This record gives sequence, structure tokens and C-alpha cells, in this order.
Amino acid sequence: EAGVVQSPRYKIIEKKQPVAFWCNPISGHNTLYWYLQNLGQGPELLIRYENEEAVDDSQLPKDRFSAERLKGVDSTLKIQPAELGDSAVYLCASTLNSGANVLTFGAGSRLTVL
Amino acid sequence: SQQGEEDPQALSIQEGENATMNCSYKTSINNLQWYRQNSGRGLVHLILIRSNEREKHSGRLRVTLDTSKKSSSLLITASRAADTASYFCATDLGYGNKLVFGAGTILRVKS
Repeated sequence: EAGVVQSPRYKIIEKKQPVAFWCNPISGHNTLYWYLQNLGQGPELLIRYENEEAVDDSQLPKDRFSAERLKGVDSTLKIQPAELGDSAVYLCASTLNSGANVLTFGAGSRLTVL
Repeated sequence: SQQGEEDPQALSIQEGENATMNCSYKTSINNLQWYRQNSGRGLVHLILIRSNEREKHSGRLRVTLDTSKKSSSLLITASRAADTASYFCATDLGYGNKLVFGAGTILRVKS
């Protein structure tokens, strides 16, 4: 069974440019998370989806970040425009339901903003 | 904000030695989990201990939980070079709540 798939693995962009990350969770996992991980830190939640509904987006900087999970399967996280401080690893994770809360993570997308 | 705080921030040991990492947290929890992250990879779930459990084992891993002190420890026995990674504790406040991660402990096992 394929794990959580993320792309791209690495992305280098100039500041003020847009960027998008894609995540395909484990088949059948209803709950999907996007986490931000800064260097030397633990992951911090950006947004959590239950199927196609965003149930916790309180930590998502909505002025420049957006996310969608239109059919309740794969998801896209977008940043527009990117800032230098957005350089980090963006991790996607999924679980069967949020009651279990044992997460399976993807390998992450490392963003460098120049 | 991160609820869990790991201690030490970094740990370097020789292969074969035991490694102990500690995690402290602030609020009541449903369960506490430990994850491992190898360099450049995503996190991998290691073990979960529920709030009504005090100790749990999985292979070379031993986790303890003291809810009165709001702390947990992860012991890796007979460490191997392949155990070199960052280890994170994560607190689960219950259904519908997010999993909150600490800043992690970097473990280096020298062969």
C-alpha cells in the first residue's frame, strides 16, 4: 500500500512568487493534516480536514495561505505570495479518523524562498 | 505554540548504550505519542500510551507516563546507529483535537 504521497519534494522560488504543494493521503483516510516544520522544531498544525471540510484552520495565515480538499481525497496547499519566512518543510499527514489520531506522514515538501 | 517540550535537545551516545528522552506537557491529555524523524524524511509513529497507562513496551522501546507530573519518557535500549534521528513527543487532547508536537530531541548514536 502506498503511503502518504507529497510533491514536489523540493521547491526553490523567489519571494513574492506563488507555490503549491500536493498531498495524496492513504486510501480511505478521512482526516488529512497539513503541518509546517521549521528547522530544528516540531511540526505545527496549519489545517485539518475531515473529508472535504476544513475543521481546524485557526493556525493558517489566511492572507497568503490557502488549502483545498475538494473531493475529500487529495489536497493542495498554496502560498501566494511567498515570503522569506515561509522557508520550511510542509508535511502532510493522514489518519482514518481524528478519534484515532495516530498519524501517517508523507516525506514532506521542502520550500526555500530566496 | 508547542505543548510538549523534550529534554535533552540533543543526545550523543555510543552504540549499545541506552538512550532516554523526556517530554513534559502542560494540559490534560487523552494519550501521548512518540514519533521518529530521520533526516529529510517525514515522521514515523513509534508508540502510543494512553492517559490511564503508566508504562508500555514495544521491542527496544519503553515509554512511561506520569500524568501527575505531566511528563513522559522514552527509553531506547541497546541503541544502534540506525536509531540516529530526531524524536518527538506529541500530545493528543482527545477526539476532534489536534495532535501537538514538541520541539524534539536529536539523537546521535555513534558506531
